[in-house]
Amino acid sequence: QSALTQPASVSGSPGQSITISCTGTSSDIGGYNYVSWYQQHPGKAPKLMIYDVSYRPSGVSNRFSGSKSGNTASLTISGLQAEDEADYYCSSFSSSGTGVFGTGTKVTVL
Amino acid sequence: QLQLQESGPGLVKPSETLSLTCTVSGASISTTNYHWGWIRQPPGKGLAWIGSIYYSGSTYYNPSLKSRVTISVDTSKNQFSLKLSSVTAADTAVYYCARLDRNTAMVSADYWGRGTLVTVSS
Repeated sequence: QSALTQPASVSGSPGQSITISCTGTSSDIGGYNYVSWYQQHPGKAPKLMIYDVSYRPSGVSNRFSGSKSGNTASLTISGLQAEDEADYYCSSFSSSGTGVFGTGTKVTVL
Repeated sequence: QLQLQESGPGLVKPSETLSLTCTVSGASISTTNYHWGWIRQPPGKGLAWIGSIYYSGSTYYNPSLKSRVTISVDTSKNQFSLKLSSVTAADTAVYYCARLDRNTAMVSADYWGRGTLVTVSS
């Protein structure tokens, strides 16, 4: 059960859009529509931002959106704001019967 | 408002067993739609699923930890617990407890504890 692959870092200027990719296999992302995304600020617990590939929990800004194509899921943040600077993790259900996290991406707002 | 709180020793000796408890307040742990899980994060590193439990006692464990992990539930106390045996320095991490939605194959954790750092050292 290997971790899903994410870019180590992504950056953008305020107001821009950025996309974070999360690549897995047919045994996880490609095989199920159970992909979640989490935001984690330093020293804090993760916060659920997206579930079931593209659904936002109540209270999460509509600037955050998710999608999936084949074995790769993506999180897009539009209208980037300073408060979006954080680490982001994807997670998928896997054929092993449990979840698997991505390697994590540090988002920097320039 | 649902709250989760981890508790347990912050220091464990190598080869011993790490034991943590998560106390749930604001909702019953005996709810049909949720599992209750443990996730950990080594200092400066990424997140990793440990496992989860349903109030009935059914469990799911990360295959890489399965031989060392036991998760149990005490519905009378509204708590669930983690035991990780034969620990090494590699088990040093912040341990989080969380509520997991069964409708999303327990991949979406919508409520988290604040986390507790457990250091494995002699």
